[in-house]
Amino acid sequence: DAGITQSPRHKVTETGTPVTLRCHQTENHRYMYWYRQDPGHGLRLIHYSYGVKDTDKGEVSDGYSVSRSKTEDFLLTLESATSSQTSVYFCAISESRIYEQYFGPGTRLTVT
Amino acid sequence: AQKITQTQPGMFVQEKEAVTLDCTYDTSDPSYGLFWYKQPSSGEMIFLIYQGSYDQQNATEGRYSLNFQKARKSANLVISASQLGDSAMYFCAMRVMTGNQFYFGTGTSLTVIP
Repeated sequence: DAGITQSPRHKVTETGTPVTLRCHQTENHRYMYWYRQDPGHGLRLIHYSYGVKDTDKGEVSDGYSVSRSKTEDFLLTLESATSSQTSVYFCAISESRIYEQYFGPGTRLTVT
Repeated sequence: AQKITQTQPGMFVQEKEAVTLDCTYDTSDPSYGLFWYKQPSSGEMIFLIYQGSYDQQNATEGRYSLNFQKARKSANLVISASQLGDSAMYFCAMRVMTGNQFYFGTGTSLTVIP
């Protein structure tokens, strides 16, 4: 199994509070991704990174920011959480842009 | 625009039988990859199989095979000899070479009946 961890695994927060989710990998893969999974939508890309300090937006990036200061860590921040951001968040890594992605265990976030 | 379509929200199969999960895709990029993932009730996403757009033969991985029909833009997953542990959500995904993004379908829920 690819070495990917996500923290926290579960979080309940209130509307308007900032939240940071962490993805940590031990595989030294260049590419890292953040997805959200919602019923009826499958997985949708929020942001991705193709190297340290190199990031780009996905299809549902509004309300989210990311940072990658080290190869192994990719942080997803909700600056001011809203109820519409209640979801399961997955981090994924890929050795190359053409290879399969491997996913972390997910973080269940509830915004009340 | 890139798109993945899975039209079967739910499927049932008898144990030991084969089942086909449908996936169609849309892209104008001539170079792309197609993937299938399994998500059991425990929630993790498990990579199953990959097919490249220039691959001449259909991909196979154990009991999984990908029925790739390029002209029809379909990439159906075939699971042979279904097992109870195959009960899960299955997602089809596509990667085009001009970008860094994966595009996922909405998934098919497979239930294997004893």
